[in-house]
Order: sequence, then C-alpha cells, then structure tokens
Amino acid sequence: QQQVKQSPQSLIVQKGGISIINCAYENTAFDYFPWYQQFPGKGPALLIAIRPDVSEKKEGRFTISFNKSAKQFSLHIMDSQPGDSATYFCAARATMDSSYKLIFGSGTRLLVRP
Amino acid sequence: DVKVTQSSRYLVKRTGEKVFLECVQDMDHENMFWYRQDPGLGLRLIYFSYDVKMKEKGDIPEGYSVSREKKERFSLILESASTNQTSMYLCASSFSWGEGRAEQYFGPGTRLTVT
Repeated sequence: QQQVKQSPQSLIVQKGGISIINCAYENTAFDYFPWYQQFPGKGPALLIAIRPDVSEKKEGRFTISFNKSAKQFSLHIMDSQPGDSATYFCAARATMDSSYKLIFGSGTRLLVRP
Repeated sequence: DVKVTQSSRYLVKRTGEKVFLECVQDMDHENMFWYRQDPGLGLRLIYFSYDVKMKEKGDIPEGYSVSREKKERFSLILESASTNQTSMYLCASSFSWGEGRAEQYFGPGTRLTVT
C-alpha cells in the first residue's frame, strides 16, 4: 500500500524525442506527487509536482499527467535534450501523514543521445 | 538558496567501525531526513527528525541511529559498520507540514564503502 512503482528502470531517447516515465500507487490517501531529478554526483532536486485536483501540470518542457481513477501519474519530457540525461524519481505523500514522509519510486535512468 | 551540506563526499571504513555522517542545513528547516540510495531500490528512508532531539524511525532503521542536538544539524550513526551498509547516503531537509511546504532539499550525498 505504501509503494510507488516506477517504470521503466532505464530509458534511451534520441535528442528531440519525448521521454515518458510512469508511476503507479495504491494508497488513495496520497495527495502530493513530486518528481525529482538527480544528476551524477548530486543529490536529487525537485523538478515538478502535482496535486490530484488537476489532471496535468506543465513547466516548460516537463509535464506531469495524473490519472486519479487509475492511480497513475507520469512525467513527459518534450524535445528531450542531452542535458536532461539524469535519474528521475517519482514520489508520493499523504497530507494526513504527520510523519512528513515521501515514498519514492525506484528511479529511471534517462539517457538522451545527441 | 537552500543549502544542505554533508561532511564527506566519499568515505571508506572497515567492518565494525563506528561511523558518523554529518548533515547541516542553513534554511531553518524543522524537518531533516536520512536516506540511503541503492540501484534499483530508489531512496529508502532510514530516520527523520521533526524537531531538535526528536526522531522517528523510517523504513530501514536497523543498524543505524541518529542525533539532532541543534536544529541545523542531523547526524547519522552506524554503530558497527557492515559491508551491507555500503551505499550512497543522502540527507534532506524541509519546512514542517504546518507551513504548507512539502519540498525536500537534498545534500550531495556521501558514498560510503565498508570493507
């Protein structure tokens, strides 16, 4: 119930293509869904986040799509660039959970070829 | 800019040694977290703290302890290091939920090797 399942584990995309990473959850109490981006040698950094009252959120080339009924959310990277090559983690959290915990997916290593 | 710093980027220790990993944040965040990151397993929460001297176990606390004597500093302690504790350790901090902030800010990580 506390898991967030992320796929694929790795992804190779050509420059200019669309990168898509998917996550699924079971706990219906989750109401905050961030995506973190991690470059080699760095800690993860918040990329974009969504709450379930909207089905989509876009920031530049990055879009989160959220399907509440299917309990799934995904990250789309449009016009992927070599500089987007990083590991991406989805996460989820329940507002009512006073422990402040984020539950992370297992990560997707994205490589964008020039 | 929020800054979370960790005392070492790389650390090599022997089995049975006591290991201290230090984390300092400069944003007056109430919450601090320790994670370990392993390939294919994502980030797993070891311990977190929501106030000075307050701590809660995460998902994998066995073999670890923590200390938070000051608001800005959160230490992870491996009482007797074992080879299965070889990993990347990440510290993070955030405002308390009551302030409506959920973002966690991460340090650069400490890659610990236990031989």
